[in-house]
Amino acid sequence: QQQVKQSPQSLIVQKGGISIINCAYENTAFDYFPWYQQFPGKGPALLIAIRPDVSEKKEGRFTISFNKSAKQFSLHIMDSQPGDSATYFCAARLFSGGYNKLIFGAGTRLAVHP
Amino acid sequence: DAGVIQSPRHEVTEMGQEVTLRCKPISGHDYLFWYRQTMMRGLELLIYFNNNVPIDDSGMPEDRFSAKMPNASFSTLKIQPSEPRDSAVYFCASSLGRIGRETQYFGPGTRLLVL
Repeated sequence: QQQVKQSPQSLIVQKGGISIINCAYENTAFDYFPWYQQFPGKGPALLIAIRPDVSEKKEGRFTISFNKSAKQFSLHIMDSQPGDSATYFCAARLFSGGYNKLIFGAGTRLAVHP
Repeated sequence: DAGVIQSPRHEVTEMGQEVTLRCKPISGHDYLFWYRQTMMRGLELLIYFNNNVPIDDSGMPEDRFSAKMPNASFSTLKIQPSEPRDSAVYFCASSLGRIGRETQYFGPGTRLLVL
């Protein structure tokens, strides 16, 4: 019940296209849903995050869409650029009963071709 | 701020040797997390501390792994004895636990290779 399922595993998009990565969860106790971006040889870095009382959050070319009833959320990258090529992780936070832990999805390797 | 600092950045050791990974969290953060990343298993939470106290070590693979946080600015993850299957990238992360300040900041990682 603490799993976060992420798809696809890998994604190839042409420059200027839209990249879409999806995640699903089961535990309704999750209270915070971040997306992390990781470049080779680096640690994951927060890209954008959303709380379950909001259906959408946009920061520049990056948008999170959140569907609380379906227990799904997705990352949309508009006008994808080669510099966006990285691995993206969705996550969900459990912050109750003394816990404060992020459950990460398996990751999506995005390649944006020029 | 310098961010989360980890050392060493790379470690190559032989099976059976003791390995110690080090982490300095961001000043003022009260949570510290140790993760392991492999191609097969992805990003796994090993253990985390709140105010230097271990809260959840359910992700520690076995007794060969141990972690300590003697003070707010330093933590270690020790593997003794090390095995080839421990080869992975180990990340340390820190955060504030409060609503609105949840971001976990990751260090650059330690790439461990056990021969």
